Amino acid sequence: DQQVKQNSPSLSVQEGRISILNCDYTNSMFDYFLWYKKYPAEGPTFLISISSIKDKNEDGRFTVFLNKSAKHLSLHIVPSQPGDSAVYFCAARVYAGGTSYGKLTFGQGTILTVHP
Amino acid sequence: EAGVAQSPRYKIIEKRQSVAFWCNPISGHATLYWYQQILGQGPKLLIQFQNNGVVDDSQLPKDRFSAERLKGVDSTLKIQPAKLEDSAVYLCASRLAGRSSYNEQFFGPGTRLTVL
Repeated sequence: DQQVKQNSPSLSVQEGRISILNCDYTNSMFDYFLWYKKYPAEGPTFLISISSIKDKNEDGRFTVFLNKSAKHLSLHIVPSQPGDSAVYFCAARVYAGGTSYGKLTFGQGTILTVHP
Repeated sequence: EAGVAQSPRYKIIEKRQSVAFWCNPISGHATLYWYQQILGQGPKLLIQFQNNGVVDDSQLPKDRFSAERLKGVDSTLKIQPAKLEDSAVYLCASRLAGRSSYNEQFFGPGTRLTVL
């Protein structure tokens, strides 16, 4: 049961243009969403997140949009740079209650290639 | 600040052999996670520790996988005996305790296991 899906295995974008990475989820209990970026031979690094009570969160060139009715989130990178070339994972969390952080469920990842 | 350390970085074994992975989290991080990432998939949580106690091991194949976090600091993950389908990258992550969304998970570089 794939609760978090990234349906595009790869995306190729020209430097300076916008990159849009998409993620769909099925579990309506998810309350917090994250994007992680992964370079080869390294572990994923946290990029940006959004709470389910918001529909947009922006951090520099990165913006995450959440559409709860469609159970869809997207990551926009503007402008895209060659150093952004990496695998991007979206992840979602179900709040476990109390002081517990809860468990993250990851999508399959999208390989972003930004061409100079 | 030192990151999450993992060793070895690469391991090749034959099926039915045993293997162990080691993780040292970021100093002060009470929560430690082990993930399995199969090629083309996102990380899947195997086990979560809070200090030296297990919080979630629902996806750990307990007939062959075991993990411990003695003294609430570093951790080892063991597979005995290994199967071909265990070939994957094993990622360790840590975070500060508590529910705060500002305390995200930090990942180590992973151990790439190949089972022949």
